Amino acid sequence: DTAVSQTPKYLVTQMGNDKSIKCEQNLGHDTMYWYKQDSKKFLKIMFSYNNKELIINETVPNRFSPKSPDKAHLNLHINSLELGDSAVYFCASSRRSGYYEQYFGPGTRLTVT
Amino acid sequence: KQEVTQIPAALSVPEGENLVLNCSFTDSAIYNLQWFRQDPGKGLTSLLLIQSSQREQTSGRLNASLDKSSGRSTLYIAASQPGDSATYLCAVSAGNQFYFGTGTSLTVIP
Repeated sequence: DTAVSQTPKYLVTQMGNDKSIKCEQNLGHDTMYWYKQDSKKFLKIMFSYNNKELIINETVPNRFSPKSPDKAHLNLHINSLELGDSAVYFCASSRRSGYYEQYFGPGTRLTVT
Repeated sequence: KQEVTQIPAALSVPEGENLVLNCSFTDSAIYNLQWFRQDPGKGLTSLLLIQSSQREQTSGRLNASLDKSSGRSTLYIAASQPGDSATYLCAVSAGNQFYFGTGTSLTVIP
């Protein structure tokens, strides 16, 4: 059973489009995250979210927005896609924020043409 | 601002060797440090988590140490195998933020 799953695995789209990436965890964790891994393989946190608190990395453009329909899901919406958004996006979860081990999804490779 | 560095960026060793990967961080006010491996085109797999109050953690052939005061962690891999070939990442947790290192790409030659 997959602990943290993401869909789609690959996403190719044109500049200016709006797209979403879905993430689900079946671990019963309270906190979920979105990360971006750039072409140099550097991972940077975008958001961390639990039921009560959304922490946004100040460098993330407001075209990116997380949406959580329930505790097990944290979807990433991206408006007006730009070439520079091309990257691999990872979802992760942990029991709570801070002290706990993180579990990662398989990633979504986004290519903007 | 926390910065996490991993040295070396790439490492190639013959099968059977013991090896050490290094991770350094600039701010010692961390909650924990976690080591991951990433296989090409795949997600991250958690290897070891060391809380800030701990000095080391072991899992099988892996041993991770943490020296918070000096801002350093090492991942020791004993008797390396070709299946250990991957990129190894360390990450530190501070508040609601997580900071990843730049990774060490390991190749174990049969």
